[in-house]
Amino acid sequence: GENVEQHPSTLSVQEGDSAVIKCTYSDSASNYFPWYKQELGKRPQLIIDIRSNVGEKKDQRIAVTLNKTAKHFSLHITETQPEDSAVYFCAAKRGRDDKIIFGKGTRLHILP
Amino acid sequence: DAGITQSPRHKVTETGTPVTLRCHQTENHRYMYWYRQDPGHGLRLIHYSYGVKDTDKGEVSDGYSVSRSKTEDFLLTLESATSSQTSVYFCAISEATGSNRLNTEAFFGQGTRLTVV
Repeated sequence: GENVEQHPSTLSVQEGDSAVIKCTYSDSASNYFPWYKQELGKRPQLIIDIRSNVGEKKDQRIAVTLNKTAKHFSLHITETQPEDSAVYFCAAKRGRDDKIIFGKGTRLHILP
Repeated sequence: DAGITQSPRHKVTETGTPVTLRCHQTENHRYMYWYRQDPGHGLRLIHYSYGVKDTDKGEVSDGYSVSRSKTEDFLLTLESATSSQTSVYFCAISEATGSNRLNTEAFFGQGTRLTVV
């Protein structure tokens, strides 16, 4: 089955700097890669996703890149702000009848 | 927010007792999932469903069973609760749309905090 590894587990960046979180997946048949943000005490919510036929996707300060050959994808947050502090999860899904497998999460701290 | 509701929101139960958590959706989404969230482990899939009466195991299914008798409800049962099942449980729903049945985002419920004493 699919296995998703996520690094780092904790990340601290100065406000205004960029943050990068990386994930690798094991199943080459995975074709959908969402990223979720979870604030303290709340439910995870989608912030961006990418499909396997696309190499990069941007939404304002957030971007995701996908390298299918290497089976890894990354989340990039630019010009970080205090409200970006949260736990971020990457995930992978294979096809339409399969499970969504999550990485273990990255706790992002934005330092003033 | 997507129409997804978990009940109960909080529960304390004793070791050895059966427990059932309910996930109810009003979105008519085909896929439903149960995850548990524990520090250091992220979100781990327990069971999922890809249609009425169609379910499959996830990464950590031992000690859990599920049922989906209708589209809107997905039940998670702990047959005999143990302290290791103390966790926050999240239900999620998703759909596949379009002629190519492309995946769409999963929406999560508010979570159920279960404590087994």
